[in-house]
Amino acid sequence: QLQLRESGPGLVKPSQTLSLTCAISGDDVSSNNAAWNWFRQSPSRGLEWLGRTYYRSQWTTEYAVSVRSRIFITPNTSRNHFSLQLSSVTPEDTAVYYCARQPGTSGTWFDSWGQGTLVTVSS
Amino acid sequence: SYELTQPPSVSVSPGQTANIACSGNKLGNRYVCWYQQRPGQSPVLVIYQDKLRPSGTPERFSGSSSGNTATLTISGTQPMDEADYFCQAWDRNTVVFGGGTKLTVL
Repeated sequence: QLQLRESGPGLVKPSQTLSLTCAISGDDVSSNNAAWNWFRQSPSRGLEWLGRTYYRSQWTTEYAVSVRSRIFITPNTSRNHFSLQLSSVTPEDTAVYYCARQPGTSGTWFDSWGQGTLVTVSS
Repeated sequence: SYELTQPPSVSVSPGQTANIACSGNKLGNRYVCWYQQRPGQSPVLVIYQDKLRPSGTPERFSGSSSGNTATLTISGTQPMDEADYFCQAWDRNTVVFGGGTKLTVL
């Protein structure tokens, strides 16, 4: 049974970098049959996809245009997790952040989500 | 950018059929999926590829898509189905969500 669990600081100061980790159990971050995604959800922005990473003989990372200039998503194969870094945060980045799996090589859906973690950007 | 539009709210009586629409330009040409989200919980996939049910999704949930509209249908709606529902599609390597529909069962 796949389980995803987000972790990281719940409070980040404006202009600093938000860092979260998604721990995977029941699957492999290096799987050729999945992609690993980050989302966030806030009342003002709704559900928003941030980006993903996946391995198909090499690693590929793709980001949403809205955050492309300040986001990094990185896999960690030794710890079987993947991480999100979002720099230069503002209060607009306050949201519940989720990680989720996208199954298969061409799946268009997300079949398993973490429980989410609230990140507040405030001084 | 591509947009998906959902009604903010839908109300249904227990045992009746609820239809939740999701509209977007030529949406029928893309695969649509649907998520259920109860308060304080993470989204749960209930329909993918327009009409397929993951294991665990009750048979009363069904989906369809044609033209500019995709529809999530819940037949014999139960009080436990009260939740927010989001449609989702892809556009040029980007995930797009609808704004969500709050389903009230009363």
